[in-house]
Amino acid sequence: EAAVTQSPRNKVAVTGGKVTLSCNQTNNHNNMYWYRQDTGHGLRLIHYSYGAGSTEKGDIPDGYKASRPSQENFSLILELATPSQTSVYFCASGKGLGNQDTQYFGPGTRLLVL
Amino acid sequence: GQQVQQSPASLVLQEGENAELQCNFSSTATQLQWFYQSPGGSLVSLLSNPSGTKHTGRLTSTTVTKERRSSLHISSSQTTDSGTYLCAIPRSGSFNKLTFGAGTRLAVCP
Repeated sequence: EAAVTQSPRNKVAVTGGKVTLSCNQTNNHNNMYWYRQDTGHGLRLIHYSYGAGSTEKGDIPDGYKASRPSQENFSLILELATPSQTSVYFCASGKGLGNQDTQYFGPGTRLLVL
Repeated sequence: GQQVQQSPASLVLQEGENAELQCNFSSTATQLQWFYQSPGGSLVSLLSNPSGTKHTGRLTSTTVTKERRSSLHISSSQTTDSGTYLCAIPRSGSFNKLTFGAGTRLAVCP
């Protein structure tokens, strides 16, 4: 099974500050994803990537940027953090097999924006 | 848009009882994935089952594609099975994006 790690695991940030969430996967998967999970909304896709150098907007990209500098790493960047971005963030990876793909999730990052 | 509905929303069992979780989806799915999420934890992929029946340990998933439904059967439940079970399918026309159900919250009591 794919190994997906995230850092930090917990983060407290101030409103207006910059936050970078990092994700690393070691199984050479093409696709990587960032989700947030909130009570009442379930899992929502923020950004995703098909490979190094590519980023695509998901369903709720506003207020977030993403960066995929390499096959292994995918970052989520909050340039100006707001309290509404308090959430649990999950990174996932997948081989990119189209309609047969399976996604593997990291342990999550709990972000609190004060 | 594409929808995934899970039932029941919550389920309480005594240890040793069996659980049957349902997932219904609004369009034909070429892949279906069941996840487990422990309280406060991450999602762990349990099974990928686009059609037919698959087994792993005490879990059995049966997907009837033309009826747009899948079930997850947990036999001889244990307290460690407690958590939330999510199903997800790829979106039509964008296979790499998943649509998730809201989940079934399972509590297994000793």
